[in-house]
Amino acid sequence: QKEVEQNSGPLSVPEGAIASLNCTYSDRGSQSFFWYRQYSGKSPELIMSIYSNGDKEDGRFTAQLNKASQYVSLLIRDSQPSDSATYLCAVNPGGGADGLTFGKGTHLIIQP
Amino acid sequence: GAVVSQHPSRVICKSGTSVKIECRSLDFQATTMFWYRQFPKQSLMLMATSNEGSKATYEQGVEKDKFLINHASLTLSTLTVTSAHPEDSSFYICSARDPPLREQYFGPGTRLTVT
Repeated sequence: QKEVEQNSGPLSVPEGAIASLNCTYSDRGSQSFFWYRQYSGKSPELIMSIYSNGDKEDGRFTAQLNKASQYVSLLIRDSQPSDSATYLCAVNPGGGADGLTFGKGTHLIIQP
Repeated sequence: GAVVSQHPSRVICKSGTSVKIECRSLDFQATTMFWYRQFPKQSLMLMATSNEGSKATYEQGVEKDKFLINHASLTLSTLTVTSAHPEDSSFYICSARDPPLREQYFGPGTRLTVT
């Protein structure tokens, strides 16, 4: 059974600091990896996608992928109170035609 | 990113009745749409994959006769919860992708309460 594991938190980070979120997955053949942000009562919002080993940066967000270790991470620089949310790691086994397997999410709290 | 809408946003129905939820891709054509369900304090679980012009593919444990999916056009998929029961109360969220891109964009979700 395909699994995606995340630390549920809460992860508390001071405003302006770097928040580091981690995720591991069980299906070694997975090809597509995503980070979504979900505010309470709302649907997920896509933050980052990554498909190749290494780092991918977009503004204050950096996604990191290590397929050998089956590990995905998300760094949020200069954390803001508005970043407080649940961050969901999602994995797609193929090139996009399949549904996503989600982790349980990490609850991030940015302390002003 | 691509825009996906869902209607209604919230619905309350009585046990035994049926409810239809619509999912639309507004600015792209989606040959594939996905339906997820999220119970309180839990993550999203894939229910089914909806393919335009063909039968939906359901995940293990999801009753296809209870959750009817119709993907009649490239911009519209519907989920009908038949003979709803209180345990069907949940947050139903659809997503769609704009091929050949891999990203899935989610609709705002439908909160279903069965009394």
